[in-house]
Amino acid sequence: DAMVIQNPRYQVTQFGKPVTLSCSQTLNHNVMYWYQQKSSQAPKLLFHYYDKDFNNEADTPDNFQSRRPNTSFCFLDIRSPGLGDAAMYLCATSRVAPGANVLTFGAGSRLTVL
Amino acid sequence: SQKIEQNSEALNIQEGKTATLTCNYTNYSPAYLQWYRQDPGRGPVFLLLIRENEKEKRKERLKVTFDTTLKQSLFHITASQPADSATYLCALDRTGGSYIPTFGRGTSLIVHP
Repeated sequence: DAMVIQNPRYQVTQFGKPVTLSCSQTLNHNVMYWYQQKSSQAPKLLFHYYDKDFNNEADTPDNFQSRRPNTSFCFLDIRSPGLGDAAMYLCATSRVAPGANVLTFGAGSRLTVL
Repeated sequence: SQKIEQNSEALNIQEGKTATLTCNYTNYSPAYLQWYRQDPGRGPVFLLLIRENEKEKRKERLKVTFDTTLKQSLFHITASQPADSATYLCALDRTGGSYIPTFGRGTSLIVHP
């Protein structure tokens, strides 16, 4: 089945120790997104790639970076995680269509910062 | 500023009843609105999309209404089952015609047997 795969599902890191989360897709979607979701809160968009074009949200901290080496893969790098970065990180993909843009999410990566 | 409001209190209902969840928004003119289901510790899963020129959309036991005058969408699950227990999020495109959806925080639904 075509899907969005996130690894790892659970990541524990120490304060300030860099972390990389990965996302792969077999849907051949042209847009890939990274959302941060904290407990009982709305998913918050960090950035997205529309094809190769990177789009950063204005309020995304510099501590968060992303790479998309090819259509299928996207990475989220957290350079120096703080306690406030503990959250669920959701990767999503879509193929933008006129009048609709439905997202397919991965299962998420839960980040714990000690 | 733009706001999407979903009831933060959990909705508790008995099995077999109809669950109705509300999504209100301000300072948006969405071209479409979506509903997603999210189970604990999992990513959201798309359920239904309704466009601004549609009043109602149905899919099996699910029904969504969209009132652009009231700036509100209602999400109904008929004949609810314990397996319907989850958090339901609404999402609107950021501005009319934008492809970027912005999500509400969701409402938790608990269906009791």
